[in-house]
Amino acid sequence: SQKIEQNSEALNIQEGKTATLTCNYTNYSPAYLQWYRQDPGRGPVFLLLIRENEKEKRKERLKVTFDTTLKQSLFHITASQPADSATYLCALDRTGGGNKLTFGTGTQLKVEL
Amino acid sequence: EAGVTQFPSHSVIEKGQTVTLRCDPISGHDNLYWYRRVMGKEIKFLLHFVKESKQDESGMPNNRFLAERTGGTYSTLKVQPAELEDSGVYFCASSHGGAGTDTQYFGPGTRLTVL
Repeated sequence: SQKIEQNSEALNIQEGKTATLTCNYTNYSPAYLQWYRQDPGRGPVFLLLIRENEKEKRKERLKVTFDTTLKQSLFHITASQPADSATYLCALDRTGGGNKLTFGTGTQLKVEL
Repeated sequence: EAGVTQFPSHSVIEKGQTVTLRCDPISGHDNLYWYRRVMGKEIKFLLHFVKESKQDESGMPNNRFLAERTGGTYSTLKVQPAELEDSGVYFCASSHGGAGTDTQYFGPGTRLTVL
């Protein structure tokens, strides 16, 4: 069956450092991989999308890589700030448009002063 | 522009009772999705509407769950009768539709507790 794994342990880093979160998947061939941010009591908020034929995508302090051979995506937040503290979810999508998302369990990130 | 709204934000009911959750998507969004997160698990897809039609209901757990989207606007998700395992957070999302990538916008969720 399809499985998406994210770091189950919470990730604590110091302000200013780069946070790196991992998303691994098995038994799946996604066309798109998306990263979402979720704060307590709120719904997921879309951050970035990367296509299967793209190796890397950047947006401001965020960078996502997608390796379909390793079946892995890495999500980086550079110059991290306490406001970046949240749960980050990866989600896989076969079509990128009008299709259901398959989510990982999420990784909780805490950025400390 | 208003985002996706959900009502109620919390609901506590007894096992065997009925509960109806409501989702108002972003105006003009043809796609509407329901997802659920049970304690300690990942967010899981329930179903997908395109306008008023059910496009994919492969994630609906059983026939105690009924989703509707009359007129292609807001949607309701009814659970009847509710069981303990139905407890969790129910998220609604909407997207515009059309060609190309299509970002889903999520509501804040309804936290359902079945006692």
